[in-house]
Amino acid sequence: DIQLTQSPSFLSASVGDRVTITCRASQGIRSDLAWYQQKPGKAPNLLIYGASTLQRGVPSRFSGSGSGTDFTLTVSSLQPEDFATYYCQQLNSYPYTFGQGTKLEIK
Amino acid sequence: QVQLVQSGAEVKKPGASVRVSCKASGYSFTSYGITWVRQAPGQGLEWMGWISTYNGDTHYPQNLQGRVAMTTDTSTSTAYMELRSLRSDDTAVYYCARGSGIWGFDIWGQGTVVTVSS
Repeated sequence: DIQLTQSPSFLSASVGDRVTITCRASQGIRSDLAWYQQKPGKAPNLLIYGASTLQRGVPSRFSGSGSGTDFTLTVSSLQPEDFATYYCQQLNSYPYTFGQGTKLEIK
Repeated sequence: QVQLVQSGAEVKKPGASVRVSCKASGYSFTSYGITWVRQAPGQGLEWMGWISTYNGDTHYPQNLQGRVAMTTDTSTSTAYMELRSLRSDDTAVYYCARGSGIWGFDIWGQGTVVTVSS
């Protein structure tokens, strides 16, 4: 199985900050990676697929990059509604594993 | 609108089975697969498997093989997930989501709480 390791696991930041979350795969997965945002008590929300393609309706302050084994999710200017937990998921081969999550908290 | 609506909360005893339903509306059901994901209290997301709504093909992770079964009823645009031989560590919120392959899972159900307790 492909393992995904996210870093950091916890991130404290302020409104307006630029933040980056990384996701490393245990083997190459081309660009077959998605990012999700999850708020407490809610279902995950797809932000990015294909490592860098923004899902329709997602604000342009979110961006993704990477291919192979190393990927990043960047939020260019944090808004209050962005404080949540973020997960990466590989869609290259079964089982479609998730990273362990990154909790983004308000400083 | 496009949505997935899941069945209500369940409380089960260890060793029992649970079946969760996921009814799709607002799109062509057989155009997208359905995946199931669970989240134990305070934990991350765990992928439980995927089913093709077109031909019924399934993919399950090794750790759930033999205990999980995913099916669909195209006449009612409903997907089902059955988990057998329940244990306390199966207590979680169970989600269905729409999608196939590399494009990710874009529409999610509201979640179904399954509690396993004696």
